[in-house]
Amino acid sequence: AQSVTQLDSQVPVFEEAPVELRCNYSSSVSVYLFWYVQYPNQGLQLLLKYLSGSTLVKGINGFEAEFNKSQTSFHLRKPSVHISDTAEYFCAVRLIQGAQKLVFGQGTRLTINP
Amino acid sequence: NAGVTQTPKFRILKIGQSMTLQCTQDMNHNYMYWYRQDPGMGLKLIYYSVGAGITDKGEVPNGYNVSRSTTEDFPLRLELAAPSQTSVYFCASSYSDVPPTEAFFGQGTRLTVV
Repeated sequence: AQSVTQLDSQVPVFEEAPVELRCNYSSSVSVYLFWYVQYPNQGLQLLLKYLSGSTLVKGINGFEAEFNKSQTSFHLRKPSVHISDTAEYFCAVRLIQGAQKLVFGQGTRLTINP
Repeated sequence: NAGVTQTPKFRILKIGQSMTLQCTQDMNHNYMYWYRQDPGMGLKLIYYSVGAGITDKGEVPNGYNVSRSTTEDFPLRLELAAPSQTSVYFCASSYSDVPPTEAFFGQGTRLTVV
C-alpha cells in the first residue's frame, strides 16, 4: 500500500522569504502526486499535480513542486511567501492503476510572520 | 456555482445517536468521496463511489454507511455514534479518474460526539 510522509508538521517563515514543504512517499508501483491547500475553516483546494512528463510542476499562487523518482519525493516550493499563504498544506498520492483513492500525508501548517 | 455542498456545518451528537451527513454536488461528477480529518492525522478515506449505485470501503469504514442512489448525492450515515467519531468530515467529488482530475471539496461538517 502507498503512504505519504510530510516531514515537517509546522513551518514558520517570514514574509517574502522562500519556503520548501517536504513530502516523501512510499509505493511499489507508479503513482500520481498532488499538493492541496486548506485555508482556515475551509475545504481543501488543489495547488498542483504531477501525472507524467516534466518533473517540475507549476501550480496556482506561485507554488511549484518537483517530482524526484529516485528519492520518492515531491517537495513544494515558493520563492517568496505572503501572509495570505498561511494555511495547512497536504501532500497526497494515488496509484496509477488500482484503487481510486487519494492517500494524504499528515499535513504541514505554514505560518507566515510579518 | 455551488460545487460540493455539505450539511450540516456543525453537529453535536450524544453517544448512541444516529445521523446522516448530507453531500450534494452539481458538477455531474461520477466520483465522490468521504474523508474524515483528525488533528495531525491528515485525511482518511471512509467510503468512495465511482458512480450511482456503486460504493466501496476506504481506509476507515467501520461505524459508517453510505449510499449513492443518484449522481448528485452521497450521504454518509452514522448509526451508533461513538466519541471516536468526533472529527471533521469532508465530502469531495471529481469528474474523471483516469487520468485523475481535480477533486473538489465541500467546506466540511464538524461533528462532536459526547
